[in-house]
Formats: sequence, structure tokens, C-alpha cells
Amino acid sequence: EAQVTQNPRYLITVTGKKLTVTCSQNMNHEYMSWYRQDPGLGLRQIYYSMNVEVTDKGDVPEGYKVSRKEKRNFPLILESPSPNQTSLYFCASSLGQGWDEKLFFGSGTQLSVL
Amino acid sequence: QKEVEQNSGPLSVPEGAIASLNCTYSDRGSQSFFWYRQYSGKSPELIMSIYSNGDKEDGRFTAQLNKASQYVSLLIRDSQPSDSATYLCAGGLNTGTASKLTFGTGTRLQVTL
Repeated sequence: EAQVTQNPRYLITVTGKKLTVTCSQNMNHEYMSWYRQDPGLGLRQIYYSMNVEVTDKGDVPEGYKVSRKEKRNFPLILESPSPNQTSLYFCASSLGQGWDEKLFFGSGTQLSVL
Repeated sequence: QKEVEQNSGPLSVPEGAIASLNCTYSDRGSQSFFWYRQYSGKSPELIMSIYSNGDKEDGRFTAQLNKASQYVSLLIRDSQPSDSATYLCAGGLNTGTASKLTFGTGTRLQVTL
């Protein structure tokens, strides 16, 4: 089954404790992206990747890191989480370049930073 | 000004009626437009995509694009309670040096019995 797999589904952590949210897709998509969703603000892009070893900042990259060492994986790293990073996070992938084709979304990660 | 704007709603329509959701965008260079449906606590899923002026129909859904007026709409005919969700409008553009997909904040639709 074609899918984007995100883990964990829920995560509660404390300020400053490094964490990684994993994302994997099995569709051989070149484009992958991370979004955060907050009430009243909608989906905002954090980082995206057009291919292996190619990543770029989205609209809200501060406090986040990403890497794309393999085509299928695109982990999101929070080196020192803060309470303002409490949000619902989605990973997405696309056959296109992210602006012109359907995005396939993972099931989301609800992160709470205390 | 937000790049893609939607009324947050809720938009309440009775079962069987037509729901009309609207979206405006500010960048005239936008070339691709999408409607995603998102149930509470779930991930967005694509409902419709539209790239050229006019109407595009798929089952009970019709997307309409008017580039001159910079608006996109989604019509849902014979609305069902299962259509109750938040609908996200998104616009994409590619300038050659950069590409971007921007989402609106979504319109919450409630279909009442």
C-alpha cells in the first residue's frame, strides 16, 4: 500500500530534550516536506527536499533540522524543543515538485513540549 | 495579507444542499490549485486539483477557477454528513528559481441532518 509513515503519533517531551520525528514513504517520491499545523494559522511549511541530499527552508524553519540521506526517509529533528513548537506535524511527499502535484500526507505527529 | 485566504466558517448547510466553499489568492503567478479535505485529528487528503480557468467536475465535487479574479471555489452537491470536515485551499507556483505551495487556513463545513 502506497503510504507515508510518520512516527510517533503522539509525543510529550520537555524543553530542551532533543527529539526526532521519523518519516518514510514507499512511493519512490523525490519531493518530501514537513508542515506544522496550528489553530488559525493553517499548514505552514518547515522544510522541504527535492531529492537526496537537497533540502531547503520553508516558511518557518527556525528551531528545526532535517536530513535526506535516503530517498525514502526525511526525519525532522528538534535539537532543543521549546513550548512554542507544540503543534501538529505532518510529513508529506509528492511525485511532482511539491507545487504541482498531489501531496500524500502522513498521519501526523501531535507534539507537546512542556 | 495572507497569500491564500479562506473564510474559517463554520459553513452550515442542510443535508442534500449544495455547499459552496471559496478561496482567494494574492499571487497572480499561481498556476496550480488544490482542495484538500481534513477530518478532525486526521491528515489532509486531496479532493480536487485544477490548473486552468473554468470548471472541473468529479462526482459530487466541482472545482472552479477564475484567474482574472484570483479565486477558486469548491462546490459540493448533495451534501452528506460525512462531508463535514475542514476544507483546505492551496495554491502553487513555480517562478523558475523557486517553487511554493501555500495553504489557506481552511473552512470548516458542517452538514446538518
